[in-house]
Amino acid sequence: QKEVEQNSGPLSVPEGAIASLNCTYSDRGSQSFFWYRQYSGKSPELIMSIYSNGDKEDGRFTAQLNKASQYVSLLIRDSQPSDSATYLCAVNKVYGGSQGNLIFGKGTKLSVKP
Amino acid sequence: GAVVSQHPSWVICKSGTSVKIECRSLDFQATTMFWYRQFPKQSLMLMATSNEGSKATYEQGVEKDKFLINHASLTLSTLTVTSAHPEDSSFYICSASGGRAGWAYNEQFFGPGTRLTVL
Repeated sequence: QKEVEQNSGPLSVPEGAIASLNCTYSDRGSQSFFWYRQYSGKSPELIMSIYSNGDKEDGRFTAQLNKASQYVSLLIRDSQPSDSATYLCAVNKVYGGSQGNLIFGKGTKLSVKP
Repeated sequence: GAVVSQHPSWVICKSGTSVKIECRSLDFQATTMFWYRQFPKQSLMLMATSNEGSKATYEQGVEKDKFLINHASLTLSTLTVTSAHPEDSSFYICSASGGRAGWAYNEQFFGPGTRLTVL
């Protein structure tokens, strides 16, 4: 079983719609969860972090965490063409040493059509 | 805040030469820095983790004698690709994590990356 799984997409939504990105993880002991945005040819940019169950909102972004289901999601409201990018889910590593490390999913490519 | 710089942003070198990439945390002290590599259309691959003043911890399959990492201060880490070959051509990205008040443990902030092309 892969440690952090994301649907690779591409996920295509019209401008103004809500984009929903999902991620599941395997380590039940994980405590820190992150969403990064990566534009083509650029490095990842941290957009959201979440540590407790429930929702966390920041502008047009809402992260949702359900530790019992080992599931974390990112909602982007009022999607804009500039949101078109690959979104990486990252979870802190719990087992096997190097607990400071993050395990990244392979990313979901989002395309927002004008 | 949370700015990480990398230099150079791109480099082209001949096969067999060595290339040094610098990673700096500009507005915080990075207790841990990470080096990643990303090939086109592939996911990030962690190469190594370094803590200031300690030897780097390399991921399985990464040659520590080929990819030399130095983390001499809380704001600077360097990656040297020794005897580079065309298969080392990739996008190298560093990230930094560390102790500014209010930051959760594990947050990583990425530099802009260095695109290495070995001819």
